[in-house]
Amino acid sequence: NAGVMQNPRHLVRRRGQEARLRCSPMKGHSHVYWYRQLPEEGLKFMVYLQKENIIDESGMPKERFSAEFPKEGPSILRIQQVVRGDSAAYFCASSPLAGEQYFGPGTRLTVT
Amino acid sequence: AQSVTQPDIHITVSEGASLELRCNYSYGATPYLFWYVQSPGQGLQLLLKYFSGDTLVQGIKGFEAEFKRSQSSFNLRKPSVHWSDAAEYFCAVGTEYGNKLVFGAGTILRVKS
Repeated sequence: NAGVMQNPRHLVRRRGQEARLRCSPMKGHSHVYWYRQLPEEGLKFMVYLQKENIIDESGMPKERFSAEFPKEGPSILRIQQVVRGDSAAYFCASSPLAGEQYFGPGTRLTVT
Repeated sequence: AQSVTQPDIHITVSEGASLELRCNYSYGATPYLFWYVQSPGQGLQLLLKYFSGDTLVQGIKGFEAEFKRSQSSFNLRKPSVHWSDAAEYFCAVGTEYGNKLVFGAGTILRVKS
């Protein structure tokens, strides 16, 4: 059973461009979570999704950030008009109906 | 709101020595507690979890943790550390079933030979 997959692993964007981060949960997992790890900071919760629904987005910045988990395909975290402060590692996690979260390897976003 | 404190930013232990990493949490209800390990440039691997029941939980790689409600603690232990244990360790608390994890700042473990 493959683990949580994230791509790309590394992403470089210039200021003002869009960043799209993808996450494929473990087989059988219907819950997806996104976390951000800023330099010198811990991991911070961003959003919790189930298929076609956003359950909790209390950690998402109010502007430029959005997330989706469509019926088919991976979950997408989208950052519009990136700024240098968006440079971070973004981790996706998945869980079954209830239980512990399994993390992917992360996407390291660098904004130049 | 939940919060997690890991008071030690760095810890250095000799290979073969015992290890204890401290974690204190704040949460109004019964906590769901986790320890994760992260190697440089990698994702997080779940070491162990506590949901209910026996307060001493066993995890992978020889780690264990003890939940002490009276002290709001969930310290991670290992009787004999191996060089491969060098990594960063995160304690986390979750709401029911572990949704929306709140992480501590992490403890970096260095192992000297």
